[in-house]
Amino acid sequence: RKEVEQDPGPFNVPEGATVAFNCTYSNSASQSFFWYRQDCRKEPKLLMSVYSSGNEDGRFTAQLNRASQYISLLIRDSKLSDSATYLCVVNTGNTGKLIFGQGTTLQVKP
Amino acid sequence: NAGVTQTPKFRVLKTGQSMTLLCAQDMNHEYMYWYRQDPGMGLRLIHYSVGEGTTAKGEVPDGYNVSRLKKQNFLLGLESAAPSQTSVYFCASSSGGFQHFGDGTRLSIL
Repeated sequence: RKEVEQDPGPFNVPEGATVAFNCTYSNSASQSFFWYRQDCRKEPKLLMSVYSSGNEDGRFTAQLNRASQYISLLIRDSKLSDSATYLCVVNTGNTGKLIFGQGTTLQVKP
Repeated sequence: NAGVTQTPKFRVLKTGQSMTLLCAQDMNHEYMYWYRQDPGMGLRLIHYSVGEGTTAKGEVPDGYNVSRLKKQNFLLGLESAAPSQTSVYFCASSSGGFQHFGDGTRLSIL
């Protein structure tokens, strides 16, 4: 079983739609959680950290469920510019090492 | 605002040649990482460093060596390049939380 699992998609949605991605992780000792965004042929960039209380940044909402060991990302009012691959990322130790999911591809269409 | 800088950005090698990829960061981060990313796969950790003078193996270290002689630099070496090492290589740095990425090196081995 992979340490971090995501549905690779692709998710094809119309502009303005709400879309949600889930991610599960296997290590219950995981400490920090992030969502990164990666555009085609570019480097991954931090989208947002994920906190136990949940957090929101504009149209993006991230949630963490420690009991079920999953993380979610909700995107409201999708824009064409949201088209990218979204990487679920987990930090499990004190070496700063991150475990990356395979990524979920989102394609927003006009 | 350099952040993490990788050189070179592109390179084509012949099988058996050697080369070194350079990663430099100006954020005074303790931790540095080298990843490779192949089509349909997530980021895989090659080697990492938790401080100047220290290195450790990641998930896929075979065929690569690294050195961290200065805190700001992390070098990735291929002693005898093989076609299986054709990939996009990303360097990242962090202070223990989320990681900042360079914009990648596209390496082809013929």
